Amino acid sequence: AQTVTQSQPEMSVQEAETVTLSCTYDTSESDYYLFWYKQPPSRQMILVIRQEAYKQQNATENRFSVNFQKAAKSFSLKISDSQLGDAAMYFCAYYGGSQGNLIFGKGTKLSVKP
Amino acid sequence: GAVVSQHPSWVICKSGTSVKIECRSLDFQATTMFWYRQFPKQSLMLMATSNEGSKATYEQGVEKDKFLINHASLTLSTLTVTSAHPEDSSFYICSARWTLSQYFGPGTRLTVL
Repeated sequence: AQTVTQSQPEMSVQEAETVTLSCTYDTSESDYYLFWYKQPPSRQMILVIRQEAYKQQNATENRFSVNFQKAAKSFSLKISDSQLGDAAMYFCAYYGGSQGNLIFGKGTKLSVKP
Repeated sequence: GAVVSQHPSWVICKSGTSVKIECRSLDFQATTMFWYRQFPKQSLMLMATSNEGSKATYEQGVEKDKFLINHASLTLSTLTVTSAHPEDSSFYICSARWTLSQYFGPGTRLTVL
C-alpha cells in the first residue's frame, strides 16, 4: 500500500526567508501525482502545487517550488520569501492510479516569525 | 475555477437528531466526490467516496447506516449524519476531483450536544 511520510511535525521560518518542508512516499506504481496542500487556521484546504511523476521538471507556483526526486521517492516543498500568510498546516498527498483517493501525510505545522 | 462549496459551515444539534451537510462543485462537474473527517491537529481521514448515480464506497470502520451519502447530481453530494451522538462531533470536509486534482470545500463543524 502507498504511504506518505512527513517527518517534521513543526517548522519555523523568519519572514522573508526560505523554508523547505520534507515529504517521502512509498509506492510501487510508476504513474502517480503528488500534491502539497495548505490548511490555514480557517481550515480551508488549499491546493498549493501539483507534480506529475512522469515529468522530470520540478513544478513551481510563484514562491512555491518542489524538489521531486523520483528515485528517492522524495517530494519536498520550498517556500521562498516567506510571508505571515504562509503560516499553516501543510499536507503532502499522493494520488496513484490503483486507488481513487488522495493519501495524506500527517502534516507539518509551519510558523512564520515577523 | 474548481470551487467547492459546503453548507452549513457550522451546525449544532441535539443528540439523536439527524444533520445533513451539502457539498457542491460550483464551476465544474464532479463524477466523484469525497467525504473526510478531521480531528483537531490531525490529518484528514477519508470516510467515503461518492460516485454520481451509484452507491458510495465507505472506508473500513465507517458506519454506512450512520453516515448516509447521496450523490444525486454531478454537482451535489450530501452527507447525512443520522441519530447523531456527541462522539460524531467533528470537522467534516468534502472534496471533488477535477483534472486529476482534488479541490476541497471549506468544511462543516458539527457539534452534537
